[in-house]
Amino acid sequence: EPEVTQTPSHQVTQMGQEVILRCVPISNHLYFYWYRQILGQKVEFLVSFYNNEISEKSEIFDDQFSVERPDGSNFTLKIRSTKLEDSAMYFCASRGDRGQETQYFGPGTRLLVL
Amino acid sequence: AQKVTQAQTEISVVEKEDVTLDCVYETRDTTYYLFWYKQPPSGELVFLIRRNSFDEQNEISGRYSWNFQKSTSSFNFTITASQVVDSAVYFCALSERGAAGNKLTFGGGTRVLVKP
Repeated sequence: EPEVTQTPSHQVTQMGQEVILRCVPISNHLYFYWYRQILGQKVEFLVSFYNNEISEKSEIFDDQFSVERPDGSNFTLKIRSTKLEDSAMYFCASRGDRGQETQYFGPGTRLLVL
Repeated sequence: AQKVTQAQTEISVVEKEDVTLDCVYETRDTTYYLFWYKQPPSGELVFLIRRNSFDEQNEISGRYSWNFQKSTSSFNFTITASQVVDSAVYFCALSERGAAGNKLTFGGGTRVLVKP
C-alpha cells in the first residue's frame, strides 16, 4: 500500500541553524501539507500546497518557514533560523484530488532545537 | 473558523470494555468532512474513519463504530471490546470543503489506556 515517507526521522540542531525536512508524498496525490505537534499537544496545521504554490498557511508559518516541491516527488519544509520553540514533531501529509478528502500522514520527523 | 473539541483528555478501561470518544465541532461551511485518527505510542498518525457532512448514516467497521449527529455537531467514536493494542491517543479532525487548502483542524486528543 502506498505511503507517505519522511526523512530524517529525528534531527537535532542548534538554535539559529537552518533545517530542511523532507517528505515523499503518495505518488498520485495532488495536495500536500505540513503539520506540527509540540510534545503532548494537539496537531497544528502549518501550510497546504497545491499546483506548486501555497494554498493556505497558518499564523505559525511565518517568514522563517518555506516549502518547496523541487522535483516531481519530494516536498520539503525549510526552517531558516531555528528557535527553541520549533522543537516538535513535524508531519507531512498528502491527499488526492477533489473527492479524495482523506489526508494520509507520514511517520513524522522529530526536531529538537538546542 | 473551524474548531474541534474533545472534552475527554484521558480514558482508562479494562480490556474487552467498550470505549466511546466524544467529539464536538464548529464550522460555518455547509459541506465538511470529519475524521478520526489514531496516534499509537510510536507517534505516527493513522487514519481510521471519515464521514462526509452530507451523509449522516452511521456505520460499523469491525470493532469501530461512529455516531454522527449534525443537529448537535457531534461525531462520536466507539471501540467495541477494546484490546491492549487500542491504547493510543485518538484525534478527531475536521476539514471544510470551502477552505482553500482543506486543512485539517484537530481536537486536543483523547488518550485511551486499555489495561489487560
